[in-house]
Amino acid sequence: QVQLVQSGAEVKTPGSSVKVSCKASGGAFSNYAISWVRQAPGQGLEWVGRLIPVLGKSIYAQSLQGRVAITADESTRTVYMELSGLRFEDTAIYYCARFGYMDVWGEGTTVTVSS
Amino acid sequence: DIQMTQSPSSLSASVGDSVTITCRASQNIDSWLAWYQQKPGKVPKLLVYKASSLHSGVPSRFSGSGSGTEFTLTISNLQPDDFATYFCHQYNSYSGTFGQGTKVDFK
Repeated sequence: QVQLVQSGAEVKTPGSSVKVSCKASGGAFSNYAISWVRQAPGQGLEWVGRLIPVLGKSIYAQSLQGRVAITADESTRTVYMELSGLRFEDTAIYYCARFGYMDVWGEGTTVTVSS
Repeated sequence: DIQMTQSPSSLSASVGDSVTITCRASQNIDSWLAWYQQKPGKVPKLLVYKASSLHSGVPSRFSGSGSGTEFTLTISNLQPDDFATYFCHQYNSYSGTFGQGTKVDFK
């Protein structure tokens, strides 16, 4: 049974960075394309990006290009999503999920950007 | 980025009804389309992937169809547990985009 466990809630100031982790248990981690999605309060889902292990790269939403980075540490079965230059509008729940079509989800990490 | 236009944004229905939600992609995405259900305060759940493949454990009253740029999610015989918000999502090799969501509530 694959499970994704995310790091805890974060409160950050504008302009700073946040790094959210997503640790996988079960399954063949090296084959996972881990996606990241965020949801601002009361809003819909926004795709953030996806790690593509077979290509050795990550792809990102154009709106976040240059501010977001998704990386992986195979030794700890952990994928990271780092968002820099934080703005108030980056306040959201950040989810990791397995594969492009997201069949298994983490529980979400609340990131609050506040001065 | 590919744009996904989902309609309607909300609909009201009764238990036993059949409802259809539509998603239109701004360019051809073949069958790289998924549908999710989300309830307030909960993590989204996958219903359908590859446009028409039902995810394990999802009731057969949910069905997806379409390819290219036009896709639909149909819920037949609506049950009380189905009142929620539904999102389409394209996940081709180079990007991902969600539709704006459709809230299904009680008539």
